[in-house]
Amino acid sequence: DAGVIQSPRHEVTEMGQEVTLRCKPISGHNSLFWYRQTMMRGLELLIYFNNNVPIDDSGMPEDRFSAKMPNASFSTLKIQPSEPRDSAVYFCASSLNHQGTYGYTFGSGTRLTVV
Amino acid sequence: AQSVTQPDIHITVSEGASLELRCNYSYGATPYLFWYVQSPGQGLQLLLKYFSGDTLVQGIKGFEAEFKRSQSSFNLRKPSVHWSDAAEYFCAVGAGNTPLVFGKGTRLSVIA
Repeated sequence: DAGVIQSPRHEVTEMGQEVTLRCKPISGHNSLFWYRQTMMRGLELLIYFNNNVPIDDSGMPEDRFSAKMPNASFSTLKIQPSEPRDSAVYFCASSLNHQGTYGYTFGSGTRLTVV
Repeated sequence: AQSVTQPDIHITVSEGASLELRCNYSYGATPYLFWYVQSPGQGLQLLLKYFSGDTLVQGIKGFEAEFKRSQSSFNLRKPSVHWSDAAEYFCAVGAGNTPLVFGKGTRLSVIA
């Protein structure tokens, strides 16, 4: 298995532009998570899906952030418009269940820089 | 809801020395517990996990952790640290019907 695949690995964009981050979870995993990691806040859970349905998006910082999971093998996290304070590493993770009884498998992350 | 605390933000050890990273959790019942490692520029990788049974669990890369219910702890240990162990280490706790809760991490530096 190739693991959780995220793209792009690095993204540099100008303030005000739309940014789309992509994630392909492990086949057969039913839960998908989006995290943001910064020096100041550490690892923050933004949103998670069970069976492609968003369950809890209380961690999404603002309406500028949105996430979708149109099918079991693909999810996107979109920021529109982007701001410099959105600069962070964004991780996608997947698991057999959201409780994590089998642990989560993380992707390598997307490092986002908004200038 | 469960919570997890990693008291040490940064630890420095000499190569070859032993290592113990602390993790304390808060939850009324027995949770399931994890340790993850994050190397620079990488995602989090699972080191080991505890669900039940033997309280001393072995993981990858020579790491082990011990669950102590009386102390609400799940400390990570390694008898002899290698320079390649320098990384960020995260403890995570799972319980009930909520996602895993991650600690803020402990950064490990290894000196010659």
